[in-house]
Formats: sequence, structure tokens, C-alpha cells
Amino acid sequence: GAGVSQSPRYKVAKRGQDVALRCDPISGHVSLFWYQQALGQGPEFLTYFQNEAQLDKSGLPSDRFFAERPEGSVSTLKIQRTQQEDSAVYLCASSSWGGVRNQPQHFGDGTRLSIL
Amino acid sequence: DQQVKQNSPSLSVQEGRISILNCDYTNSMFDYFLWYKKYPAEGPTFLISISSIKDKNEDGRFTVFLNKSAKHLSLHIVPSQPGDSAVYFCAAKSGGSNYKLTFGKGTLLTVNP
Repeated sequence: GAGVSQSPRYKVAKRGQDVALRCDPISGHVSLFWYQQALGQGPEFLTYFQNEAQLDKSGLPSDRFFAERPEGSVSTLKIQRTQQEDSAVYLCASSSWGGVRNQPQHFGDGTRLSIL
Repeated sequence: DQQVKQNSPSLSVQEGRISILNCDYTNSMFDYFLWYKKYPAEGPTFLISISSIKDKNEDGRFTVFLNKSAKHLSLHIVPSQPGDSAVYFCAAKSGGSNYKLTFGKGTLLTVNP
């Protein structure tokens, strides 16, 4: 079956530009997560959706970062006025129910963002 | 402040031998632990997990051990195969935040034929 799909796989932008990263979760998965992975580091939590509700956005680094999931399926992570420190791999994950402890999160292959 | 630590950036073992990857944590609220495997240019893939009410969980060649008093867990791979060569991430969740995963920095495992 189809896994988590992210697009684009690679994105290069100039400092100051806005970018939008897309995530298609596994069909039927209620929970959706965004993580940021800097070079040589583990993924770091950004935000969590249950259906269309954004229940936790405590990991978003600044108000330049915005995520949405308007219909409870596809999600978009938007970064405004990008900075060089935003360069990272952005990973999306989904799970069938975030409240059930033994449901693992399934990750997409990520979007590698490079800010010049 | 790194709450999940993987102190070995890399590990090299011979095919057929045991691989032992280690992970330490500092947050006593963590009560569920997972291991993910990651190949280059791909996302992490779930491997195995363990609840804090257990001290061992086994799935085929993979076994995870948890020592709560030492705040330490380890992943054993027996026997190791060249296809196991990847970066392994340890991750943890707490009951108060049942969805947010906290990851270590990862250990690069190389299994030599």
C-alpha cells in the first residue's frame, strides 16, 4: 500500500522567499506529525494534528512557520521569509491514532530544504 | 538539553555477529521507547518498540532491552546482515505527551560481509 508521500523531495530557495512543503499521509490515518531534521541530528518534533485540529505546535521554531491540515488529510508546512538556519530535512509522519500508545509513526522520505 | 542520547556515532561489525546499539535517556517521564532504522535519502522506518512495563521485547533477529533503573536501552541484532547497514535512531515518548517522539542523534551501523 501507499506510504506517506512528501513533495517536493528537494527544494532550493533564496533567503527571504516563502516555501510550502506538502505531506500526503497514509489513507485513513488520523494523526499527522511534522519533524525537522538538521544535519547530523535526530528528527525534532514541530507540530501534531489530529484530523484537522492542530493539537500541538510547541515545536515550531518561530512564527515564520505555519502548518495546516484543513480537511484532515493532506497537510502543508509553510515557512515564510526563509533563513539559512531553516535548511534541514522536513519529515512528515502519520499514525492511525496518536492516543494509542503502540501505534508507530510512519515516516515519509522527507523534503530536503536548502536556503541560499 | 539532549533527553535521548546515543553516544556512539558509529559501529562496525562483521556479518553473522551480534550488533548492540545503545541508548540512554534522562527524562524519567519517558515510558515508551522505539527504534527506527534509516537508509540514506529515505525516511525512518519503525523497527521495534518496548513499553516501560517490560524489560525485553523480541521480534525475529531484533531484541530490545530496557533497564529502567539505569535509564538505558539497547537494541541487539543477531545475526547481523549487510542489509542492516543503516542509521539507527532511538526514540522515546512520555505518557503526558503520547504522540511526541524525542529522538537521539542516531548510530550508523555498518555490517561488513
